[in-house]
Amino acid sequence: GAGVSQSPSNKVTEKGKDVELRCDPISGHTALYWYRQSLGQGLEFLIYFQGNSAPDKSGLPSDRFSAERTGGSVSTLTIQRTQQEDSAVYLCASSFSGSSYEQYFGPGTRLTVT
Amino acid sequence: DQQVKQNSPSLSVQEGRISILNCDYTNSMFDYFLWYKKYPAEGPTFLISISSIKDKNEDGRFTVFLNKSAKHLSLHIVPSQPGDSAVYFCAAAGGTSYGKLTFGQGTILTVHP
Repeated sequence: GAGVSQSPSNKVTEKGKDVELRCDPISGHTALYWYRQSLGQGLEFLIYFQGNSAPDKSGLPSDRFSAERTGGSVSTLTIQRTQQEDSAVYLCASSFSGSSYEQYFGPGTRLTVT
Repeated sequence: DQQVKQNSPSLSVQEGRISILNCDYTNSMFDYFLWYKKYPAEGPTFLISISSIKDKNEDGRFTVFLNKSAKHLSLHIVPSQPGDSAVYFCAAAGGTSYGKLTFGQGTILTVHP
């Protein structure tokens, strides 16, 4: 079956512009996570969705970051007024439920802010 | 405050030999641990996991060992193959009602033919 997909795969944007990153989780997976990986670092948790609600947004670095999920499926991560330190690979993962630790990751979106 | 640490940025091993990747954690609330493997331009893929009620879990060539008192886990790959060359991430979960993962920085494994 289809895995987690993300788009775009690469995004180059100018400092100050807004960007939207999209994630399509595995069908039937109720839990969805966003992580980011900066150069040479591990994956950093951003936000967790169970269905359409986000019980944990504690990893979002600033109020320029927001995310939503609709229909219990597709999720969009939006970064407003991008800064150079936002440059990273943004990874989305889904799991069958919130209590399942095995997460399936998409290929990521590489964001470069110039 | 890095709660999960992989202190070796890289490891080089000869094909057929054992690869040992190490991971340390500080948060005693963690009760489930996973290893993920990542190839360039791909997302991490799940490899093997272990619950804190066990001290060993084996799956084919991969074995994970957990030492709770030392807050240390390791991944053994025997025998190592060139296709195992990738970045390996240790991850930990627990202390929440859902599966949020805390990752280490990763170790680049290179297996030479």
